[in-house]
Amino acid sequence: DIQMTQSPSSLSASVGDRVTITCRAGQSISSYLNWYQQKPGKAPKLLIYAASSLQSGVPSRFSGSGSGTDFTLTISSLQPEDFATYYCQQSYSTLTWTFGQGTKVEIK
Amino acid sequence: EVQLVESGGGLVQPGGSLRLSCAASRFTFTSYAMSWVRQAPGKGLEWVSALSGNGISTYYADSVKGRFTISRDSSTNTLYLQMNSLRAEDTAVYYCAKEDIAAVGYYYYMDVWGKGTTVTVSS
Repeated sequence: DIQMTQSPSSLSASVGDRVTITCRAGQSISSYLNWYQQKPGKAPKLLIYAASSLQSGVPSRFSGSGSGTDFTLTISSLQPEDFATYYCQQSYSTLTWTFGQGTKVEIK
Repeated sequence: EVQLVESGGGLVQPGGSLRLSCAASRFTFTSYAMSWVRQAPGKGLEWVSALSGNGISTYYADSVKGRFTISRDSSTNTLYLQMNSLRAEDTAVYYCAKEDIAAVGYYYYMDVWGKGTTVTVSS
């Protein structure tokens, strides 16, 4: 199984801040990396696929980058509705996925 | 709007069985792979199982292999997860998700999720 490790596990930030979350794969996964946002009591929502492609309807303040083993999700200017938990997920090994442990973004 | 609705969750004793259903609507069900993902209370997301778009290939996490079976009924656009020999650690909210593939590069991603159904394994 491909291990996915996110950092940090949690962070505190203010509205308007630039936020960066990192995800590291246990082996090279090219660009087979997705990012999801989950709010309490809700289903996850796809933000980014193929490492850097923005899902339709997702605000442009969200962006993804990286390839190989190191990936980043960036929120350019944090908004009140962005306080949530974010997960990375590898899609390299066909239909056998693993998620990172999650990063909780909290209000400072 | 594409929709997935899970059902079938509930309270079951350790060693028992349960079958989850996921009713799909407003997309061509047999053209897409589907996955089950679970989330234990206060924990992160764990992928559980997937079914290929042609309905032939199945995939399982090691934690459920040999105990869970994924299947579908194309006539009713319903995805299933048969769960046997349930353990306390299977307690979670179970989500079904539609798998889409990017036009270039064969990149899979879960673009539509249901709201989930809760499974509690306890005596």
